[in-house]
Amino acid sequence: DGGITQSPKYLFRKEGQNVTLSCEQNLNHDAMYWYRQDPGQGLRLIYYSQIVNDFQKGDIAEGYSVSREKKESFPLTVTSAQKNPTAFYLCASSLITGRYNEKLFFGSGTQLSVL
Amino acid sequence: GESVGLHLPTLSVQEGDNSIINCAYSNSASDYFIWYKQESGKGPQFIIDIRSNMDKRQGQRVTVLLNKTVKHLSLQIAATQPGDSAVYFCAETRENYGQNFVFGPGTRLSVLP
Repeated sequence: DGGITQSPKYLFRKEGQNVTLSCEQNLNHDAMYWYRQDPGQGLRLIYYSQIVNDFQKGDIAEGYSVSREKKESFPLTVTSAQKNPTAFYLCASSLITGRYNEKLFFGSGTQLSVL
Repeated sequence: GESVGLHLPTLSVQEGDNSIINCAYSNSASDYFIWYKQESGKGPQFIIDIRSNMDKRQGQRVTVLLNKTVKHLSLQIAATQPGDSAVYFCAETRENYGQNFVFGPGTRLSVLP
């Protein structure tokens, strides 16, 4: 059953702590993305990666870090530098066909809250 | 828990009626558009997409209309069902923009029995 798996579903962060959100896909997609969703707002791009060992900052990368060591995996670390981390985090993936943009497939999300 | 759309516009429709959800996009260069459905606490689910060389596309019970002149996108849902209750949002992007989508905040659809 192909798809994108995010874990955990709920995560709590203490002040000064780094936490890592997991994202795995078995769709054989080249590109992976992390979005942040806040109530009443559109999704905002944190980081994206179109190839292994390479990634690019999105609109709100400050306080976050990522890695792309494998095609299937794109973990997101929310660092202590992110002062307002409470949000719903969504991982997505897509094909890259070169000429045309392709639709994004999303995981089920991780709700991060601050203790 | 509730994480999406606390202050979103809401559309309430009777079960069995047709629903029309609208989206105004900002960039006249955008050439690819997607509608997503998101239920509370879940990830967005692809509904239908359309490219700028078309003005209408139909799926199962859904139709997307694109009016490039006024930069407007709409999603029509026929015979709305209780399972259609969710937040619906549009996404736009353009060629050579590196798969970077701009997402609208969404509209909450509430289906009344």
